[in-house]
Amino acid sequence: DTGVSQNPRHKITKRGQNVTFRCDPISEHNRLYWYRQTLGQGPEFLTYFQNEAQLEKSRLLSDRFSAERPKGSFSTLEIQRTEQGDSAMYLCASSSNSGGMTDTQYFGPGTRLTVL
Amino acid sequence: AQRVTQPEKLLSVFKGAPVELKCNYSYSGSPELFWYVQYSRQRLQLLLRHISRESIKGFTADLNKGETSFHLKKPFAQEEDSAMYYCALRGTASKLTFGTGTRLQVTL
Repeated sequence: DTGVSQNPRHKITKRGQNVTFRCDPISEHNRLYWYRQTLGQGPEFLTYFQNEAQLEKSRLLSDRFSAERPKGSFSTLEIQRTEQGDSAMYLCASSSNSGGMTDTQYFGPGTRLTVL
Repeated sequence: AQRVTQPEKLLSVFKGAPVELKCNYSYSGSPELFWYVQYSRQRLQLLLRHISRESIKGFTADLNKGETSFHLKKPFAQEEDSAMYYCALRGTASKLTFGTGTRLQVTL
């Protein structure tokens, strides 16, 4: 499978714990995005990288959230001191910047986080 | 600010009937509009985008800048079209802004 992969697929944690998710993009893609989706809503943008540089971060994103893409390949999203409101599906997507605005974002299967 | 509105949470149609999933957007510049689809237990995938002006699986969508709409249409619904459909907008930044989605249910 050469698509975007995410691990773990499911995570259950207790309030106050830290969690980390991983995303492996399509190998030749230089852009990587994180979105969050809650029940009944569409995906909501969190942050994105071009290669290893984090170019944009949502203003809605709490300081408890941090993302990295150290070598411009896989990315990790960490949530510190989780709260019940963090329960959601976390989606990763990747795309190739062809120089224009027509790059297509390909999504991974998501990581479902449940905070008890 | 950019915003996408999908007014219907659920659209139920009979097989063979026409389908129209509504999408309206708010954006001050020239946006790119997309339709993504999520079939049961599958990941989100691109269905079509306005720049391509193509028909995918019988679906078409025309960008109407005057009405700020990008409605998704298909003349004859099939059972396999049952899925969750999301309209999305991309402005000058690379991120996508999604609507809340419409569940299409095609019944016999």
